[in-house]
Amino acid sequence: DSGVTQTPKHLITATGQRVTLRCSPRSGDLSVYWYQQSLDQGLQFLIQYYNGEERAKGNILERFSAQQFPDLHSELNLSSLELGDSALYFCASSVGTSDTQYFGPGTRLTVL
Amino acid sequence: GIQVEQSPPDLILQEGANSTLRCNFSDSVNNLQWFHQNPWGQLINLFYIPSGTKQNGRLSATTVATERYSLLYISSSQTTDSGVYFCAPLQYGNKLVFGAGTILRVKS
Repeated sequence: DSGVTQTPKHLITATGQRVTLRCSPRSGDLSVYWYQQSLDQGLQFLIQYYNGEERAKGNILERFSAQQFPDLHSELNLSSLELGDSALYFCASSVGTSDTQYFGPGTRLTVL
Repeated sequence: GIQVEQSPPDLILQEGANSTLRCNFSDSVNNLQWFHQNPWGQLINLFYIPSGTKQNGRLSATTVATERYSLLYISSSQTTDSGVYFCAPLQYGNKLVFGAGTILRVKS
């Protein structure tokens, strides 16, 4: 158990819908990262927050957004969902920005 | 951005055998992590190894940062070692860039 929690574990929804994925980092970690794992793109970085502020952006679509709250948990919002958004979404956390990243169990999103 | 190549892409071992997985990366890095993704999809941290050698039980890893590669050694493999092994250098001080992985199958 990495100490990073993610909810829900599974999510099935329809095209065009909006969903929110939630992540709670390890106690004491200030950085939260979101990654997407799909069959065609592999594992790729989406976005990082550090202590409530956006720190880095990767290949994140405009339909996706994220935020980190004062209690340091983070949410990833996915809207206007398409079939291709079906993937495993991981949250990771670390103490700072260059430290070991610990991954949560992931949320498996299926868009029908 | 940095390119990450892992080899071999697939590996089948008999239980008890040893193996070496390789990761080449195209740019200098300050950090590198190795992960094991088990059949249930969990990503498990194996090593944080920007340089040098570390050991953890039957696993060890070596990173030669100046030559831009890292190696993961698995000794006396067990069926529970099956899964996908990822190498991920840290780029720009914050984002991990994952290779395509090595799929390992250990047969009993």
